[in-house]
Amino acid sequence: EEGLVESGGGLVQPGGSLRLSCTASEFKFYSSDMVWVRQAPGRGLDWVAYITASGHTTSFGDSVKGRFAVSRDNAANSLFLQMNSLRVEDTAVYYCARARSYDILTGYNDAFDIWGQGTMVTVSS
Amino acid sequence: DIQLTQSPLSLSASVGDRVTITCRPSQNIRSYLNWYQQKPGKAPKLLIYAASELQSGVPSRFSGSQSGTDFTLIISSLQPDDFATYYCQQSYDGPPYTFGQGTKLDIK
Repeated sequence: EEGLVESGGGLVQPGGSLRLSCTASEFKFYSSDMVWVRQAPGRGLDWVAYITASGHTTSFGDSVKGRFAVSRDNAANSLFLQMNSLRVEDTAVYYCARARSYDILTGYNDAFDIWGQGTMVTVSS
Repeated sequence: DIQLTQSPLSLSASVGDRVTITCRPSQNIRSYLNWYQQKPGKAPKLLIYAASELQSGVPSRFSGSQSGTDFTLIISSLQPDDFATYYCQQSYDGPPYTFGQGTKLDIK
């Protein structure tokens, strides 16, 4: 069964760093664009980062731009999120997901069709 | 960035009810709109993509429609498993991608 498993979450002090990992199984990871989405406690979904299948193009939400980096290792079916200069407001469950492009009449619609179970990141002193 | 406004933000309904949830974008996004279901402590699940296409494995009581620039998620006959929070998400100019605030559906 197609799946994603995140790891690397934990407790970190404000200003600290953390690296999240996401391992894919049973689908063509090397040809899949990927995203990170987070959810603060009791809040809604917030898109964080995007990376193309090749890893050559990345994009970030305004709240993390300049502090977070996304990368991948296609040989290892793995996706990473490097989080630096962490803030209390970065506290959230972080999900990785596949961004599948569905071909529609007017172009390509990106929907997130495979999700991991999430990993909790807590930023607190 | 494109903003998505969902309504209502919370909704109480009974098993067997027909339920509609609306998502209004801040600008025209054509059909680049997806719907997700999320249960407490679980990852979101894709229900509908491209406004009206049912994701594989999703029950047919779920459907999506578009009227002008507004979008609607419809559950034709609520089942006990459907009580959850529902989110819309746009990919028109994505990335960046944006989600609606979410609509919490609970039992009346």
